[in-house]
Amino acid sequence: GAVVSQHPSRVICKSGTSVKIECRSLDFQATTMFWYRQFPKQSLMLMATSNEGSKATYEQGVEKDKFLINHASLTLSTLTVTSAHPEDSSFYICSAGGGLGLRTEFQETQYFGPGTRLLVL
Amino acid sequence: AQSVTQLGSHVSVSEGALVLLRCNYSSSVPPYLFWYVQYPNQGLQLLLKYTTGATLVKGINGFEAEFKKSETSFHLTKPSAHMSDAAEYFCAVTYSGNTPLVFGKGTRLSVIA
Repeated sequence: GAVVSQHPSRVICKSGTSVKIECRSLDFQATTMFWYRQFPKQSLMLMATSNEGSKATYEQGVEKDKFLINHASLTLSTLTVTSAHPEDSSFYICSAGGGLGLRTEFQETQYFGPGTRLLVL
Repeated sequence: AQSVTQLGSHVSVSEGALVLLRCNYSSSVPPYLFWYVQYPNQGLQLLLKYTTGATLVKGINGFEAEFKKSETSFHLTKPSAHMSDAAEYFCAVTYSGNTPLVFGKGTRLSVIA
């Protein structure tokens, strides 16, 4: 399978600050990246879909001005949590999909990053 | 619209016993079906997938799943559970590689020695 990295793996910040999370597809060029949020003992909640060079599509209820997503290249997407508050504390996971090239597995499959644990004090 | 139902939020098996995790889906278009595993504080790791072709798919760590269109099911099995299989398992559906996955609520697998 393909490798997707996320950085940082864990971040603690003060309320009101902004935090940027990077998601990189290391093995293939991903036309689409996804950002999910996961609460303890729950499934993943899709936040937004990001296509390279386009504005992200946010799910209903997700504040696009709070969660800024940039997908500047086929291997990098970033999520910036602006003016973070304690209720934004969560586990954020990205995935990369729609790979370009000949390998069918990269075209058909979403590969997930290891996640970022955000704690806002 | 697509949806996934995972029967049983928690399944407990003895080490060496059969593992069966149930997944039923709903899709108005031919589905892509996936099983992912998540260990504590980690991301999701792909176990196996079905997109087209052979309906019995084999994945990593001895897991396999069978796509049954008539039953709209994609149950995950493993003949003999190992302690290291204890984790959260998610079934997911989509219809292409660049459309969002729709996840089930997950099933926590416990393996008893």
